Parts: sequence; C-alpha cells; structure tokens
Amino acid sequence: QSALTQPASVSGSPGQSITISCTGTSSDVGGYNYVSWYQQHPGKAPKLMIYDVSNRPSGVSNRFSGSKSGNTASLTISGLQAEDEADYYCSSYTSSSTPVFGGGTKLTVL
Amino acid sequence: EVQLVESGGVVVQPGGSLRLSCAASGFTFDDYAMHWVRQAPGKGLEWVSLISWDGGSTYYADSVKGRFTISRDNSKNSLYLQMNSLRAEDTALYYCAKDAGNYFDYWGQGTLVTVSS
Repeated sequence: QSALTQPASVSGSPGQSITISCTGTSSDVGGYNYVSWYQQHPGKAPKLMIYDVSNRPSGVSNRFSGSKSGNTASLTISGLQAEDEADYYCSSYTSSSTPVFGGGTKLTVL
Repeated sequence: EVQLVESGGVVVQPGGSLRLSCAASGFTFDDYAMHWVRQAPGKGLEWVSLISWDGGSTYYADSVKGRFTISRDNSKNSLYLQMNSLRAEDTALYYCAKDAGNYFDYWGQGTLVTVSS
C-alpha cells in the first residue's frame, strides 16, 4: 500500500488559517470516510486531532477541522497559534483492511 | 486514564531477533484491536501490524511480512511484536497504539530499536 501524499511543509502567520492536503486513491481516502489526522511535536508521541474525516475528539480545539472531497482529505487549522507548530500526519483505512499514513507535513508558524 | 507503555527496544545486530512488549492499562484491553506503528529517525509514521481483539486476525505491512509476528495476551493486558531477521531499515521508534475503529486514539511513548553491527 503506497503512502498517502501530503505536502512536505506549510507555513502561516499567527491568526491565519492553513490547510494541509492528503491525497490518496479510491482504495483508501476516496473509498471510505475513515480519514484521521495526527499532530506530533518533536520528541512526542502522535496525538489524534481528527477522526472519521471531520470529527474532533474531546479536548481538541475547534480551530482544527477536517474535510474530504474525492480522493483528497484536508486538515484546516484556523487562528494559527505558536503551539500548532508541529508535524501533521493523515491516515486512512484501506481496501486491504489496514491503515496507511501520509508522509507528514511540517507546519511552521512564522 | 489510558496508558500504553512499550519496552524491549535495544541495539541488535543485523539478522538478529527482538521481542517488543506493550503494557496496557486504563481500558478494557480485550475489547480493542491493537497496532504497532514505527517511525525511523527523522522520518514519518509507518504502520507495521494490527491484531484483532481476540488475536484471531493479524495483518502486516509488506515490509515486515514473514519476519515480524504480532500477538497479545489478554490475561496480561499486553501486546507483543516478535521481530526476526532484523535489517538496518527496521531501525525506528516503535509505538503501540489502540484502535478505536479505523483510527488510533491512544499511543504509547515508543521504544527504540536500533539495528547495527
């Protein structure tokens, strides 16, 4: 199973909004509403931010939102804050009944 | 509070074997499937293996199929990963993660496996 495609890096200024894309195929992102997003700060374990395309776990800021169109899912962070600077990974369920990750996106808050 | 604590990571020679463990607490362990996910130094996340709640079904990434074996002991609330024929490219931080239905809701802090002569 090939990794999902994410931009290597994105950046934004405090208060702005950014969007990270995650592109797969009809066998993963496009075929199921099972896309999730994870935030990882340096030296820390990943943290679930979005599940099932657009659902936020309890305790995750409503500045984080998810969506999907066709084979591409997106994570939007509004009102950027310094603490949002981290690596972000998407993941999707696949037709092989296993998950696949994206390559990761480094978010820089300018 | 859900806790996942991995152990067993060490430096091992190429071709060697290793068994990782993950001790789970704070939830009903035998209600959930579990995963191993790894992250090579400076690289992204790579899914490694999945085991169903009862151990009856297991899945592997192509990169480890035939070399790694996932298992669990529900009586001990523990998850395992037996790693054989280790290669340099298996060097990574290995995380255990709880399955919540097509996503990972809790992660351990990871245990580092280094394959080097």
